[in-house]
Amino acid sequence: ETGVTQSPTHLIKTRGQQVTLRCSSQSGHNTVSWYQQALGQGPQFIFQYYREEENGRGNFPPRFSGLQFPNYSSELNVNALELDDSALYLCASRQGEHTEAFFGQGTRLTVV
Amino acid sequence: QQQVKQSPQSLIVQKGGISIINCAYENTAFDYFPWYQQFPGKGPALLIAIRPDVSEKKEGRFTISFNKSAKQFSLHIMDSQPGDSATYFCAASKYRMLTFGGGTRLMVKP
Repeated sequence: ETGVTQSPTHLIKTRGQQVTLRCSSQSGHNTVSWYQQALGQGPQFIFQYYREEENGRGNFPPRFSGLQFPNYSSELNVNALELDDSALYLCASRQGEHTEAFFGQGTRLTVV
Repeated sequence: QQQVKQSPQSLIVQKGGISIINCAYENTAFDYFPWYQQFPGKGPALLIAIRPDVSEKKEGRFTISFNKSAKQFSLHIMDSQPGDSATYFCAASKYRMLTFGGGTRLMVKP
C-alpha cells in the first residue's frame, strides 16, 4: 500500500449535481496531484497543489476545483456534473519536485 | 492533445517471453519518464523511471531504453510471468506533472 487514501471508493451522482472527493496524502508529502482516468484510457492531469497553493493545471474547465489543507490532505470538487465526468479519479502525493509520486486507489465516480 | 503515444494497445506474451511496449513523446521539455503498472481496481504504481541524460536503465526484469533524438522510449519485461498481467502506462513529466500514454494491456499466458 502507498499510504495515500481516497474516499469514497465509489460514488453515484446525478447529472448537474456537485461532488467532493477526498485524499489523504502519505505522511510528510507536501505536493498532491489529481488525475481523471476514463475507462480504458490513461490518467489525465487535472491540477496540482504545493503547500496549499495550486501550481499547475491541466486542460479542465473551472468547474473542477480543489483545495489542499495545512495537513496536506486535499479535496477535488466538481460542479454541474456531466455524464462524461464518469471516471476513476486518482490522487497522487509526493515530497518535493524530484521524488516519486504515490497514487491512491482512486474514487470511481458514475454520473447518471 | 496526445503528447505521449503508446503502443501496442494490447499484448499477449507466453510465460518466459519478452514483453516490449513503446512510447513516443512530442514535448522536448519533458525531463522525467516513468513507467507505471496498474491492476484492476488499483491506482498506478511506479515500476521504473529514467531521465533523458541516460540511454538505458535496468531494474531486475524491467529495462527502459531511451532515445532522446528520436523522442522515443520503451519498456522491456524479461522473463514475463503471469503475475505481470496488468495495464502498463508510460508517462512523461515536467515539474512532475505527468502526461500519460494511453496504456498497454499485457496478458502473459502460462
